[in-house]
Amino acid sequence: GESVGLHLPTLSVQEGDNSIINCAYSNSASDYFIWYKQESGKGPQFIIDIRSNMDKRQGQRVTVLLNKTVKHLSLQIAATQPGDSAVYFCAENPSGGATNKLIFGTGTLLAVQP
Amino acid sequence: GAGVSQTPSNKVTEKGKYVELRCDPISGHTALYWYRQSLGQGPEFLIYFQGTGAADDSGLPNDRFFAVRPEGSVSTLKIQRTERGDSAVYLCASSPNANTGELFFGEGSRLTVL
Repeated sequence: GESVGLHLPTLSVQEGDNSIINCAYSNSASDYFIWYKQESGKGPQFIIDIRSNMDKRQGQRVTVLLNKTVKHLSLQIAATQPGDSAVYFCAENPSGGATNKLIFGTGTLLAVQP
Repeated sequence: GAGVSQTPSNKVTEKGKYVELRCDPISGHTALYWYRQSLGQGPEFLIYFQGTGAADDSGLPNDRFFAVRPEGSVSTLKIQRTERGDSAVYLCASSPNANTGELFFGEGSRLTVL
């Protein structure tokens, strides 16, 4: 079946370094992708989204890159801080944003070392 | 509060029992979603409501699961004859409408079936 997955289950970085979290998706028809952050004991929190007519989108300290040719999505976090420690999920919206029925990947744990 | 509220935060029950999980979405949000998250996994879609009606219930695993939203605000997820495999965190999310892209999640209800 169609799925969204992550290459790296755990990523450990030093405070102040840049982090890159990767995600592969398999549904070539999907045209809308979202990154969520989930801290322990809390619900996922929206970070940033991107539509397939874009290759790159920037937010505050975060950048999402989309490579449709290889069906790859990445989240870059600049100057990683201890508060960035969490599990990060990429999510795919096969409806192109018509609904918020999302397919989530497994997640990557980002551990920021002080 | 201003966010999505879920009760109970924790529920321990015995196999075969009936449970209800409640979600109070952000005021004015017409779309409401239920997801289920098993340990170490990403959330899995269960059902979503647009207003009072279930617009898509394709994620409900079987007929033991049912959800209602009678007045278009609070929703209740009902699980009959619980099984150990139902143990998970049940997440509720809302959005202003069905296609804004950003979901606002609650902190979830952790269900443990003994």
